[in-house]
Amino acid sequence: GQNIDQPTEMTATEGAIVQINCTYQTSGFNGLFWYQQHAGEAPTFLSYNVLDGLEEKGRFSSFLSRSKGYSYLLLKELQMKDSASYLCAVLDSNYQLIWGAGTKLIIKP
Amino acid sequence: ETGVTQTPRHLVMGMTNKKSLKCEQHLGHNAMYWYKQSAKKPLELMFVYSLEERVENNSVPSRFSPECPNSSHLFLHLHTLQPEDSALYLCASSQVPYEETQYFGPGTRLLVL
Repeated sequence: GQNIDQPTEMTATEGAIVQINCTYQTSGFNGLFWYQQHAGEAPTFLSYNVLDGLEEKGRFSSFLSRSKGYSYLLLKELQMKDSASYLCAVLDSNYQLIWGAGTKLIIKP
Repeated sequence: ETGVTQTPRHLVMGMTNKKSLKCEQHLGHNAMYWYKQSAKKPLELMFVYSLEERVENNSVPSRFSPECPNSSHLFLHLHTLQPEDSALYLCASSQVPYEETQYFGPGTRLLVL
């Protein structure tokens, strides 16, 4: 079966750095997405990785290793507004999006 | 104009009621989706429409009935729901089915009593 694993919840301190991991087992791979979802709001697109390596976009970076079936989202200089759920999703060989259950990130002052 | 809008934002219904959820996208996209999001579970894809044709129905019970009258509007008609159907229902759109980044609406929080 197809599976996306990410931690259920993480806690970090304002101003610090946090890394949210995502591992996947899917039938094929056509890219990995990270979405941010604030409580009661719509998921919003953060990043898309299809090649190995690190993609940096401001305070957020996303890394992919296809051989390891692994990705992480790195958030730097954490702000209180970064408190949200972070969803990992993989596009499989049939171009179906397989979603993880999300990681709830709690930022403390 | 917000990219993807959904109404109502909150809905409480009894098991014998009939209601409809509405989604509208203002992005000129060709694909629209209905997802169910339950607490601490992955997003569940329910239906996919491409150019107003249904291209996917992921074994969704018949008490959920989608309708796509045009490429900008998507409805989800609900009847005789069960309490376990209580969840957040998200609509999304993309330029091309599956491959492109999806843009989500704010969702409808549904409670079935």
